[in-house]
Amino acid sequence: ETGVTQTPRHLVMGMTNKKSLKCEQHLGHNAMYWYKQSAKKPLELMFVYSLEERVENNSVPSRFSPECPNSSHLFLHLHTLQPEDSALYLCASSQPPSRGSNEKLFFGSGTQLSVL
Amino acid sequence: DAKTTQPNSMESNEEEPVHLPCNHSTISGTDYIHWYRQLPSQGPEYVIHGLTSNVNNRMASLAIAEDRKSSTLILHRATLRDAAVYYCILFNQAGTALIFGKGTTLSVSS
Repeated sequence: ETGVTQTPRHLVMGMTNKKSLKCEQHLGHNAMYWYKQSAKKPLELMFVYSLEERVENNSVPSRFSPECPNSSHLFLHLHTLQPEDSALYLCASSQPPSRGSNEKLFFGSGTQLSVL
Repeated sequence: DAKTTQPNSMESNEEEPVHLPCNHSTISGTDYIHWYRQLPSQGPEYVIHGLTSNVNNRMASLAIAEDRKSSTLILHRATLRDAAVYYCILFNQAGTALIFGKGTTLSVSS
């Protein structure tokens, strides 16, 4: 148990559905991240939030919409997805990098998403 | 971001030491060297990190070359539970997040 919880663990959705992925951390961290891991590919950084503000949006299509209502929760809202969006979506948290420190990431177990 | 190069795969036997290499010839003076591993069906987990000096923790040791252009993650006695993908990543404080490469898939045989 890493202290980062993702729900649901598995999700199957059609291309016209709207769903949301949830991530929760109780580690007192101020930065949260979404990564995407497609089969046989490296992890791809999608979004970064620091102190509840989005600090990075890594050219992600608008059908993925992140939300960070507070420092403990992160959502990824999904709509009109494509089959190629099927992947493992991983959430992580950390303290933001700061002068003199080098914080480590804590990952959840991910949500395995299948788009039909 | 400075890049790293790792072998695609390595094999080891249980109870033997494992040395996982990583080349990072374009590393800058402010880049930290991080290692993470990802077990099957799980998110990555932190293993170790360092800047210039060798580092030890309960999971592994990190040996950093004097010129910092390469490093080696050392698992002192491999177990079956160490079978995973191991990622070597460079990160500095100007960045916002870790960027993962393909990593090295470690297989451990009994």
